[in-house]
Amino acid sequence: NAGVTQTPKFQVLKTGQSMTLQCAQDMNHEYMSWYRQDPGMGLRLIHYSVGAGITDQGEVPNGYNVSRSTTEDFPLRLLSAAPSQTSVYFCASSFQPGQTLYEQYFGPGTRLTVT
Amino acid sequence: RKEVEQDPGPFNVPEGATVAFNCTYSNSASQSFFWYRQDCRKEPKLLMSVYSSGNEDGRFTAQLNRASQYISLLIRDSKLSDSATYLCVVNPTGRRALTFGSGTRLQVQP
Repeated sequence: NAGVTQTPKFQVLKTGQSMTLQCAQDMNHEYMSWYRQDPGMGLRLIHYSVGAGITDQGEVPNGYNVSRSTTEDFPLRLLSAAPSQTSVYFCASSFQPGQTLYEQYFGPGTRLTVT
Repeated sequence: RKEVEQDPGPFNVPEGATVAFNCTYSNSASQSFFWYRQDCRKEPKLLMSVYSSGNEDGRFTAQLNRASQYISLLIRDSKLSDSATYLCVVNPTGRRALTFGSGTRLQVQP
């Protein structure tokens, strides 16, 4: 099993460009999520999904879109990149029976710089 | 007030030392608790879940105090390989999301 994979590992964008960060998992997890991590801020939840076709906003959703057409994939789209979106982005997935979240498995991250 | 608060450190300790981290959380109805470990420039990985009765995994012991709303992690006989950032994580009731603390950095020195 590959676990959670993310592409690309590194990306540099100019202000105003758009791009999609890819995330895939092969553990058949229903729950998937995107976080950003900034120095001193910890991980902050951007969007999450509890199954194919179901997504919801997290703590910092502005400037990002997500979709979940399959159980395996959960791409994150930056609509119009801004320097404030310079960060490390982590995708995670977990088994989630009911309302309780169990261990989240993280991808290796995407380091994004917006100039 | 942050939902999950941790002392950022760094904690600099010699090999073999015992070190303890505390974390406080604001949502009294939170239902599950975890400690994650994050190495420099890597993804977070689960270190251990925290149960109401307290739990131990080798050199690591986690405790939960619901009345005072804090979680602790004790590391005994520290190894150089324990150097990392330790993240306190809480799942607030009714929310399908984990809330992460900013992390406590541990540096174990030879």
